[in-house]
Amino acid sequence: DGGITQSPKYLFRKEGQNVTLSCEQNLNHDAMYWYRQDPGQGLRLIYYSQIVNDFQKGDIAEGYSVSREKKESFPLTVTSAQKNPTAFYLCASSFFTGELFFGEGSRLTVL
Amino acid sequence: GESVGLHLPTLSVQEGDNSIINCAYSNSASDYFIWYKQESGKGPQFIIDIRSNMDKRQGQRVTVLLNKTVKHLSLQIAATQPGDSAVYFCAENIDTNAGKSTFGDGTTLTVKP
Repeated sequence: DGGITQSPKYLFRKEGQNVTLSCEQNLNHDAMYWYRQDPGQGLRLIYYSQIVNDFQKGDIAEGYSVSREKKESFPLTVTSAQKNPTAFYLCASSFFTGELFFGEGSRLTVL
Repeated sequence: GESVGLHLPTLSVQEGDNSIINCAYSNSASDYFIWYKQESGKGPQFIIDIRSNMDKRQGQRVTVLLNKTVKHLSLQIAATQPGDSAVYFCAENIDTNAGKSTFGDGTTLTVKP
């Protein structure tokens, strides 16, 4: 079945460590996105990519990095520069226009 | 002026009643709006969408109303069921070609049996 797969579902990180969250889609979507969700709040856009080898910063890109080497993959690295990384991270994809299809999310906790 | 519904962070309804969830969007240039449903611990799922050239759109048990004059969006759920309990988000697209959405704060709907 087509869909978006995020891994890992749960991740623990020590302060000062970088971690990478995986996102893969087999929907043949052009665009991919990373959102952050904090408890009781809406989604905030971190980065998005409309085509391979190109991506743009969203509203809260500081402390994060991404790559888009393949159409199917859009990994997110949470760097040590991100001061408050504990959150629920959601990856999504879409055609050039239209609704977003979300993965099941990755919950990152900083110990 | 015209009265519109206020956004509420939580809404509790009895099973079988109709639910109305409200959302105010920020940019008058937005031309595409989407409602998502997010169950606990999961990613949001698409419910229904509407473009700015429409005022109303109906789906199965759901209706979305768009009032561009006051920048207001509402989601109506008919005969609400326990499975409808979730957080509901509205999202606006300022640039349809980018497919990049700005999300509202969300409303937690609780359905009492």
